[in-house]
Amino acid sequence: DAGVIQSPRHEVTEMGQEVTLRCKPISGHNSLFWYRQTMMRGLELLIYFNNNVPIDDSGMPEDRFSAKMPNASFSTLKIQPSEPRDSAVYFCASSLTRSGNEQFFGPGTRLTVL
Amino acid sequence: KNEVEQSPQNLTAQEGEFITINCSYSVGISALHWLQQHPGGGIVSLFMLSSGKKKHGRLIATINIQEKHSSLHITASHPRDSAVYICAVTGNQFYFGTGTSLTVIP
Repeated sequence: DAGVIQSPRHEVTEMGQEVTLRCKPISGHNSLFWYRQTMMRGLELLIYFNNNVPIDDSGMPEDRFSAKMPNASFSTLKIQPSEPRDSAVYFCASSLTRSGNEQFFGPGTRLTVL
Repeated sequence: KNEVEQSPQNLTAQEGEFITINCSYSVGISALHWLQQHPGGGIVSLFMLSSGKKKHGRLIATINIQEKHSSLHITASHPRDSAVYICAVTGNQFYFGTGTSLTVIP
């Protein structure tokens, strides 16, 4: 398996634009997690899915952020409209189950909002 | 108040030294994770613990549930161990430590 795949790896956009980050989890994994990492706040869990269903989105900063998982092999994290303070590295991770198994992280998407 | 506290924040060691990184938490958990993040930015899960001790190569992780404390040990440290080590706990929610930046000098 290729591991967790994220795209794009780097994204530079202007304030106000819509940004869509993509993630393909490891085949057979039932849980998918979206994280954000900044220098100020470290790693933060934004949302996680179990069997394609969003379980906890309490970490999503505000209504500008939305996440979907239309099927077991694909998830998106969308920011609309984007703001400079959204600049961060966004990681996607997957695991067999929510908490009973280790998580495998994707390479991350480095987002810069100008 | 941080639910997960790591110490030290920064650590410099000579190659070959035995290294310990500590993690204390204040919430009920179902599992504790040790993550490694290299300067390139990628994150790797080293261990997931719910009790006892795990060993993988030169890395050992222990957890004491009663004391709400975990340690990550690196034996015979090597410059390639230089990275940020992050402690994370999962329970009703997910909490992360701020990380320990380790530099191993040849």
